[in-house]
Amino acid sequence: QMQLVQSGAEVKKPGSSVKVSCKASGGTFGSYAISWVRQAPGQGLEWMGGIIPILGGTTNYAERFQDRVTITADESTTTAYMELSSLRGDDTAVYYCARVSYDILTGYYSMDVWGRGTTVTVSS
Amino acid sequence: EIVLTQSPGTLSLSPGERATLSCRASRSLSSNYLAWYQQRAGQAPRLLIFGASSRATGIPDRFTGSGSGTDFTLTISRLEPEDFAVYYCQQYDTSLLFSFGPGTRVDI
Repeated sequence: QMQLVQSGAEVKKPGSSVKVSCKASGGTFGSYAISWVRQAPGQGLEWMGGIIPILGGTTNYAERFQDRVTITADESTTTAYMELSSLRGDDTAVYYCARVSYDILTGYYSMDVWGRGTTVTVSS
Repeated sequence: EIVLTQSPGTLSLSPGERATLSCRASRSLSSNYLAWYQQRAGQAPRLLIFGASSRATGIPDRFTGSGSGTDFTLTISRLEPEDFAVYYCQQYDTSLLFSFGPGTRVDI
């Protein structure tokens, strides 16, 4: 069963960037998409974007993050990355990576494996 | 952009009771591209239901998803203590652009 192991907590200054990693083990990395979802303190889940390694690393991003987020993947190390730039205080959140699986029987996608989350704190 | 709304915001129930959670989309979802997730306090979300009504691996049959078009429901037939959590619906389109609803908290 695939597991997703995320990098450790980060504290960043406003205006800087953060890069969070998500290493997959126990499965075929290139067969799945990886999404990034964040959760501000006491708030709900917010999808940021994703990458599809099997489609040559095709990425898609939520409109509100389009200008600030870059998602990449390194198949040789089975690791996905999410870099968020121009950090602000309201970017303080837990950032999750999740595997997006395709169910052959039903034709549906879902986020069926999640990392444990990486806390990013933005503070001066 | 499709917007999901969930109701109620909070549901206060007791163990053994039935919970009915609603998720409404601002326009009809293609082919029922809707999933439900459970998030317990301090934990990552967990997939419960995909394709509006298909239970994920290992999910007890007390969880049932239903609905189509713009109106979807998650029903928990008999609440267990571990079911008290926040539940999110999620939709996606054919480009794999996702979005979540604001969540429903199920409290004791």
